[in-house]
Amino acid sequence: NAGVMQNPRHLVRRRGQEARLRCSPMKGHSHVYWYRQLPEEGLKFMVYLQKENIIDESGMPKERFSAEFPKEGPSILRIQQVVRGDSAAYFCASSPRSGNTEAFFGQGTRLTVV
Amino acid sequence: EDKVVQSPLSLVVHEGDTVTLNCSYEVTNFRSLLWYKQEKKAPTFLFMLTSSGIEKKSGRLSSILDKKELFSILNITATQTGDSAIYLCAVEAIGAQKLVFGQGTRLTINP
Repeated sequence: NAGVMQNPRHLVRRRGQEARLRCSPMKGHSHVYWYRQLPEEGLKFMVYLQKENIIDESGMPKERFSAEFPKEGPSILRIQQVVRGDSAAYFCASSPRSGNTEAFFGQGTRLTVV
Repeated sequence: EDKVVQSPLSLVVHEGDTVTLNCSYEVTNFRSLLWYKQEKKAPTFLFMLTSSGIEKKSGRLSSILDKKELFSILNITATQTGDSAIYLCAVEAIGAQKLVFGQGTRLTINP
């Protein structure tokens, strides 16, 4: 079991471009959580998805951000028209069922907007 | 709004020292408190606490929860340089799937 795989590990985008962050959960895990970590801060919840469904997106900014977890393939966090303030580390975690004690985190994607 | 505050934000000690990291919280309908270790990469799970006064222990690490005073501590004895990391505390509310994290304590162990 390869663990939670996130790619790319590092992503540089110019202001106004789109960023796509991918998260492949652990085998057998159908629950995915996305968190954002700004420098010197803790992780902030963004969205919780099960296969093909968004369960809780209360932490997602209302504009430019979207997430999906299709039946086949990885979960995608998409940021349109990126701005400097989007620069952060984005972590995903996956779990075989709801709840966080069995959740494993990926290595994160560090997004830098220039 | 649910809130988690960790202290100190940064701590530097010598190898062999014992450290205590603090986590206080405010959460509606508390379910559990979790500790994670983050070493430049993915946060890794350490402990989950749900009941007051019951110490969880793993090697040199231990943690306890006080639900009356709304805090938890993480103790590390006989520290080693490999303990250097950011230690994150998070709480989970009943019915909510998300974790609310504190800002973390950056622990540095000098040889």
